[in-house]
Amino acid sequence: GAVVSQHPSWVICKSGTSVKIECRSLDFQATTMFWYRQFPKQSLMLMATSNEGSKATYEQGVEKDKFLINHASLTLSTLTVTSAHPEDSSFYICSARTGVAEKLFFGSGTQLSVL
Amino acid sequence: GNSVTQMEGPVTLSEEAFLTINCTYTATGYPSLFWYVQYPGEGLQLLLKATKADDKGSNKGFEATYRKETTSFHLEKGSVQVSDSAVYFCALIRGSTLGRLYFGRGTQLTVWP
Repeated sequence: GAVVSQHPSWVICKSGTSVKIECRSLDFQATTMFWYRQFPKQSLMLMATSNEGSKATYEQGVEKDKFLINHASLTLSTLTVTSAHPEDSSFYICSARTGVAEKLFFGSGTQLSVL
Repeated sequence: GNSVTQMEGPVTLSEEAFLTINCTYTATGYPSLFWYVQYPGEGLQLLLKATKADDKGSNKGFEATYRKETTSFHLEKGSVQVSDSAVYFCALIRGSTLGRLYFGRGTQLTVWP
């Protein structure tokens, strides 16, 4: 089946630094990718939708200047958490949607801890 | 607004026990409902879905029925196995935009031999 690779699986960083998370579709082209996050004991929440070659669409309450999303190719989307702070510590998951079959595949997630 | 409420875990069962994970939703219109499963170290995978009221989704021995009158989509399995140990997420979509999912918080299931 289709695979979405997400890296890194976990990352610890100092407050004020930036962290990049990659999401790759390994055997299909993903015209649309989605980024979710989950704070402890809360629901998995959609952050943004990115379409290849265009600007991402952010959900209400998500700071677009803090969470930079790049979807420069049909197989790669990146999420950069800029100037990370402890309150950004969360579990981040990406998903990729196939074009023709309209199926959705998820990465295994990235646990971010900001000290 | 749209939301999904899942029973809080973790759930711990012995092998061959009966499983129920409760899920209720709030949504306008007629959402499609899903259960996703995440095995350790892997991405979420679609387990089953139902797109209209009274539909029953089923897969790998798991079942869930779309109950509009109670706005519920409870997941059940008659006899769990150790290999069913995973995190289970209930989710809904409004409209046809696959990917813009509203998820619950997930329920950790551990099955002991």
